[in-house]
Amino acid sequence: KAGVTQTPRYLIKTRGQQVTLSCSPISGHRSVSWYQQTPGQGLQFLFEYFSETQRNKGNFPGRFSGRQFSNSRSEMNVSTLELGDSALYLCASSLDGANVLTFGAGSRLTVL
Amino acid sequence: GEDVEQSLFLSVREGDSSVINCTYTDSSSTYLYWYKQEPGAGLQLLTYIFSNMDMKQDQRLTVLLNKKDKHLSLRIADTQTGDSAIYFCAEMEPGNQFYFGTGTSLTVIP
Repeated sequence: KAGVTQTPRYLIKTRGQQVTLSCSPISGHRSVSWYQQTPGQGLQFLFEYFSETQRNKGNFPGRFSGRQFSNSRSEMNVSTLELGDSALYLCASSLDGANVLTFGAGSRLTVL
Repeated sequence: GEDVEQSLFLSVREGDSSVINCTYTDSSSTYLYWYKQEPGAGLQLLTYIFSNMDMKQDQRLTVLLNKKDKHLSLRIADTQTGDSAIYFCAEMEPGNQFYFGTGTSLTVIP
């Protein structure tokens, strides 16, 4: 059974650009959550999608957005990138109602 | 429910026991977790405990939960160099909302 797959694994952007990250959950998992990980801040919750609907949202500006497709794959987008957006972006999937998150390896974004 | 705290660093000698501590603030937590993150990787679930349990043991790992003090600990027996990683404590609250600590970086000295 394939795990959670995130692409791309690494990317470099410049300030002002926008970026789209992709996450394919474990087959059968319909809930996908996104987290931002930075040194000293730990994991900050961005949003959770279930059945193509955003179910929960963290405390991030509107530049951060996401969506989920009918096959449960999810994308997140960050517009007008800032230096502070440099981070590891982690995606996690779970069965609805389950109490366990399974994480992907992350997408490391560097903003120059 | 967003305050989950851990110390940032811990060093132990190979073969010794490691104890990583975590405190949380929300008494409505239903499950508490320990995840491990190795360099360049995502988070791997190590173990979790239901909030009405006091202890859970799984091979070299022992989780202790003091619900009154909102304190969770992870003990790793016979710590090996392969245990060097960042360990995250997390809690799940009703509504399946997860909150993570800042992580404890464990260094095992040979």
